[in-house]
Amino acid sequence: GENVEQHPSTLSVQEGDSAVIKCTYSDSASNYFPWYKQELGKRPQLIIDIRSNVGEKKDQRIAVTLNKTAKHFSLHITETQPEDSAVYFCAASLLPEYGNKLVFGAGTILRVKS
Amino acid sequence: GAVVSQHPSWVICKSGTSVKIECRSLDFQATTMFWYRQFPKQSLMLMATSNEGSKATYEQGVEKDKFLINHASLTLSTLTVTSAHPEDSSFYICSARATDRAEHEQYFGPGTRLTVT
Repeated sequence: GENVEQHPSTLSVQEGDSAVIKCTYSDSASNYFPWYKQELGKRPQLIIDIRSNVGEKKDQRIAVTLNKTAKHFSLHITETQPEDSAVYFCAASLLPEYGNKLVFGAGTILRVKS
Repeated sequence: GAVVSQHPSWVICKSGTSVKIECRSLDFQATTMFWYRQFPKQSLMLMATSNEGSKATYEQGVEKDKFLINHASLTLSTLTVTSAHPEDSSFYICSARATDRAEHEQYFGPGTRLTVT
């Protein structure tokens, strides 16, 4: 089955700096890679996702890159703000329309220091 | 948007009792719902996939007789933790897949904090 590894486990950045979180996956059949933000005691919130037919996707300060050959994908947050502080999870699965059983990474605690 | 609710949001029960958690999709249909468990400072671990009108599919290591799942309608799935023990204390989160929407995205419920004393 799919296995997703995520690094780093914790990340501290200064406000305004960029943050990068990296994930690798094992199953070459996976073709959907969402990223979730979870605040303490709250539900995970989808912040961005990418499908395997593209290599990069951007939404304002957030971008995701995908390297299918190397089986890794990364989340990039630019101009970080204190409200970006949370736990971020990557995940991998088949495309949603084919029944996406998400396999999550271990999570990254992001702290943005003001 | 797509809203998923869970009830209760938190529950405390005594060891040996059973607890039922409800997961509802409020404004969309969900033939598939997923149940996750999340221990403190850990990731979400999929427990089972719940399909409307059929038996749930459990992940390896999850006891189906202990975690009973019923998905009786297109908007409701329930998880019953039977004979709960302190080690079952966790944050239980459901998600519902919007099968009547083009993107088929999973939407997460707010979670249920279970504490077994």
